[in-house]
Amino acid sequence: AQSVTQLDSQVPVFEEAPVELRCNYSSSVSVYLFWYVQYPNQGLQLLLKYLSGSTLVKGINGFEAEFNKSQTSFHLRKPSVHISDTAEYFCAVIRDSSYKLIFGSGTRLLVRP
Amino acid sequence: ETGVTQTPRHLVMGMTNKKSLKCEQHLGHNAMYWYKQSAKKPLELMFVYSLEERVENNSVPSRFSPECPNSSHLFLHLHTLQPEDSALYLCASSAHAGGAVNEQFFGPGTRLTVL
Repeated sequence: AQSVTQLDSQVPVFEEAPVELRCNYSSSVSVYLFWYVQYPNQGLQLLLKYLSGSTLVKGINGFEAEFNKSQTSFHLRKPSVHISDTAEYFCAVIRDSSYKLIFGSGTRLLVRP
Repeated sequence: ETGVTQTPRHLVMGMTNKKSLKCEQHLGHNAMYWYKQSAKKPLELMFVYSLEERVENNSVPSRFSPECPNSSHLFLHLHTLQPEDSALYLCASSAHAGGAVNEQFFGPGTRLTVL
């Protein structure tokens, strides 16, 4: 079975500061990894995904993530955050041919002026 | 309308009521999903439909009854719910069911409160 751990339930950060949101996963088979963002009163929007190839993945809104197989991690980073980045961020995994996206419990990013 | 829409956005119901949630996708997709998002818990997959056929039922209680009359519409019929069923119910769709390459597009959700 797969599982996803997001250790930080909330990350406060000042505007224009860098941020890293942590995601670790466990799986006995190969999985594919995703980061989603949920703004208040909205559904989830895909930020980026890792399927294969380069372990550094670039997504929308200036976010990037690095897949580290040995550490089973897929941390999300942004070098300089904006107030508008305040949202809930979810890491997720899926096995190929599976229907089930397995989500972490989410990390609330709070950007302060 | 574009993307995935859900109605109503908010719903309050008593435990003896019967209500339905509606989801519509305008993306030409063949697969649709229902998720439950409870406070402090990860999103949980409830049901998956592929070409109007249910292909996944993730041990959901029978008081939740899905219906997919065509590939663009998905309903979740609710009856005799419990207060712990209060949550945000999210609908999603993808070009085809399952797999990493089939990105799921989410609707804004229905916030359900059971009194």
